[in-house]
Amino acid sequence: EDQVTQSPEALRLQEGESSSLNCSYTVSGLRGLFWYRQDPGKGPEFLFTLYSAGEEKEKERLKATLTKKESFLHITAPKPEDSATYLCAVNFGNEKLTFGTGTRLTIIP
Amino acid sequence: EPEVTQTPSHQVTQMGQEVILRCVPISNHLYFYWYRQILGQKVEFLVSFYNNEISEKSEIFDDQFSVERPDGSNFTLKIRSTKLEDSAMYFCASSSPKLDPSYEQYFGPGTRLTVT
Repeated sequence: EDQVTQSPEALRLQEGESSSLNCSYTVSGLRGLFWYRQDPGKGPEFLFTLYSAGEEKEKERLKATLTKKESFLHITAPKPEDSATYLCAVNFGNEKLTFGTGTRLTIIP
Repeated sequence: EPEVTQTPSHQVTQMGQEVILRCVPISNHLYFYWYRQILGQKVEFLVSFYNNEISEKSEIFDDQFSVERPDGSNFTLKIRSTKLEDSAMYFCASSSPKLDPSYEQYFGPGTRLTVT
């Protein structure tokens, strides 16, 4: 069964303290890996799409990278407004997205 | 910027009642989806819809569920006889102006369904 695993489940950082979130997946015909941000009670907000190993995408303080079996979301010098749950989702070759359980990120001022 | 909209934002219903959740996908998208998220759990796929028919569905999407695109803009999810375990956030999503379902999916704000 295709699976997506995210770690850590929760992460607390001081404002300005950089770190990385991990998303690993079963290697079976990845067609795309997607990062989303979800605020409490809201829908997932699209951040990045990665299609092939070695690919990198960047947006403000966030940078997503992809290898053959995992993806990282690097956050550089985070601010309190970056606090949210970050979701990783994978398209394994059909139409649906398989989501991980997310990493709940808290940035302390 | 185009966005997916959903109504209502919150629906409370009694067990056994029918509910219809409504969505307006992004106008030039070709693929439409419903997902749900039970409180504290991960987002789960329910169904995908393309070219006016269901293209894929999960085990959750049993005979109690149906989807429809009644006109050129709306996309609906109907639950015929709600159960307590149907209580969740329901998200509509749409993707891809091209014939390729591997594009990113854009999600609506969700409808919180509470079954009492």
